[in-house]
Amino acid sequence: DARVTQTPRDKVTEMGQEVTMRCQPILGHNTVFWYRQTMMQGLELLAYFRNRAPLDDSGMPKDRFSAEMPDATLATLKIQPSEPRDSAVYFCASGLVLAGAGNNEQFFGPGTRLTVL
Amino acid sequence: SQQGEEDPQALSIQEGENATMNCSYKTSINNLQWYRQNSGRGLVHLILIRSNEREKHSGRLRVTLDTSKKSSSLLITASRAADTASYFCATPTGRRALTFGSGTRLQVQP
Repeated sequence: DARVTQTPRDKVTEMGQEVTMRCQPILGHNTVFWYRQTMMQGLELLAYFRNRAPLDDSGMPKDRFSAEMPDATLATLKIQPSEPRDSAVYFCASGLVLAGAGNNEQFFGPGTRLTVL
Repeated sequence: SQQGEEDPQALSIQEGENATMNCSYKTSINNLQWYRQNSGRGLVHLILIRSNEREKHSGRLRVTLDTSKKSSSLLITASRAADTASYFCATPTGRRALTFGSGTRLQVQP
């Protein structure tokens, strides 16, 4: 049963600390997305990769957030330094996007609930 | 800004009743997707409808798409308590990403 995994599931940290969230996409998927969900803003797309190359990170605060895919089985989202306003649930999703195909279904991980005190 | 906006924001019904949620979007699309999110979980894909389709069924789900009105609806028939969740519509953006609406919170009372 293929699924997207994320670690940690919960993270509580203090303002100013570095936070790293990890995601393992479904094997064979070529696109990985990072979302942030809050009550106020809903679900926001932060960044996404195709074939490990960053396609768009315009939704991400550049000064403190960074996203990488060191290999096809791992995507990371890092916040340094973290701030209380970063408190949210961060979701990773993956999908298989084929040239010309219109189906771009995404498979979501369980999320990382981040609390910055 | 969000491409899709769901209506209503919240809906409470009794088990066995039908639930209808609507989604409006702004730009032309080639498909629209609906997702469900149970509390504390990630989103789960429910159904995709293409722009050349007007209606699609999957089990107790019925989705319609009206491209002239830029709107879609999701109907859940004979609802169950387990259908309690938030429901989101999603539309494609450039480079095959998705933009999600604000969601409808559905509460099905047993």
